Amino acid sequence: GAVVSQHPSWVICKSGTSVKIECRSLDFQATTMFWYRQFPKQSLMLMATSNEGSKATYEQGVEKDKFLINHASLTLSTLTVTSAHPEDSSFYICSARDTASGAFGYTFGSGTRLTVV
Amino acid sequence: QQQVKQSPQSLIVQKGGISIINCAYENTAFDYFPWYQQFPGKGPALLIAIRPDVSEKKEGRFTISFNKSAKQFSLHIMDSQPGDSATYFCAASIKGSGGYQKVTFGTGTKLQVIP
Repeated sequence: GAVVSQHPSWVICKSGTSVKIECRSLDFQATTMFWYRQFPKQSLMLMATSNEGSKATYEQGVEKDKFLINHASLTLSTLTVTSAHPEDSSFYICSARDTASGAFGYTFGSGTRLTVV
Repeated sequence: QQQVKQSPQSLIVQKGGISIINCAYENTAFDYFPWYQQFPGKGPALLIAIRPDVSEKKEGRFTISFNKSAKQFSLHIMDSQPGDSATYFCAASIKGSGGYQKVTFGTGTKLQVIP
């Protein structure tokens, strides 16, 4: 089945630095990928929709300049948390859909645990 | 505003019992209702899904019951096993302006199946 690889699985960074998270579709092409944020014991909140070759679409309340999204190819989307602060600490998850399969199934990555100290 | 409400927040079931998780939605434009299973430190995995023109879908021990008029749907896990212990999310999706499905998640139910 479709596999989405997310890297790194966890990262600790100092306040004020930037962190890049990669999301790759391993065996399918994904024109659209999605980035979610999940706080402990809470639901997944959609942050933005990443479109290959065009600008990402951000959900209301998500800072575009803080969460930079780049979808440069059909298999790779990146999320960069710029000037990270402790309140950005969270679990970030990407997902993608194998459009060629014709099925609904969005496949999720394993997530990235970001801790800002 | 929470568009998909899920209950209970947590659930403890004895091995072999039936686990039932309920969800309700507001937006009648939702056209797909998936359930996801998430283990700690992992991303969600699609478990089973249903379209609103179907009242029930069964896959193995997992069954979705869908009540369109009441705008409610539920997940039943028969013969629950300790390995089913995870957090379950219901979700509802709608086609976005870009042609893709935009998914809204429920608040999650932490299921613990005890031996």
